[in-house]
Amino acid sequence: DIQMTQSPSSLSASVGDRVTITCRASQGISNYLAWYQQKPGKVPELLIYAASTLQSGVPSRFSGSGSGTDFTLTISSLQPEDVATYYCQKYNSATFGPGTKVDIK
Amino acid sequence: QLQLQESGPGLVKPSETLSLTCTVSGGSISNSHYYWGWIRQPPGTGLEWIGTIYYSGSTSYNPSLKSRVTISVDTSKNQFSLKLSSVTAADTAVYYCARQGYYYESGGYKRTAWFDPWGQGTLVTVSS
Repeated sequence: DIQMTQSPSSLSASVGDRVTITCRASQGISNYLAWYQQKPGKVPELLIYAASTLQSGVPSRFSGSGSGTDFTLTISSLQPEDVATYYCQKYNSATFGPGTKVDIK
Repeated sequence: QLQLQESGPGLVKPSETLSLTCTVSGGSISNSHYYWGWIRQPPGTGLEWIGTIYYSGSTSYNPSLKSRVTISVDTSKNQFSLKLSSVTAADTAVYYCARQGYYYESGGYKRTAWFDPWGQGTLVTVSS
């Protein structure tokens, strides 16, 4: 089975900072990866699919990159409303990463 | 706008069967462009995929839960359902249903992909 890991598990950054979250697959998964945002007490929402395609309505400060085993989610300028836990998910027999909690410093 | 809504008992006794239904509105569950999935989230922890169904009835399950899970679809009611048998306290979680996209793998095989949108989720507690 392909395992998904994320780093860091949590981070604290200032408003306006550039934030990068890493997701790693134990085997190559091409670009078959999605990213989700789950705000406290809310439902997960799709941010990015196919590793780098922004879902409609998602602010352009979010971007995704990577292929194979290593992927990144970047928030170019952190906003207060971005406080959330972010999960990566591989396609096909979906496996989610453990999540990265993002807070404001 | 497509909406999904989970329904079912919020409390289930240990060893019994958890049963939930997801009602889809604003679109047809028979749309050949999508699959339909169940995901759960134990309190304070991460997301776990449970299983997925296509309108034809074709299913795929998380291997760790496969022996206890049954997912079915009722196209006439625009609903799909989850049954999880022999539950324990470890099955206490918020259960979500979601629409699932697909992609074509090399060789032309259709594979399931991302989840969007999600239902609001329903908390199921396993306790006597």
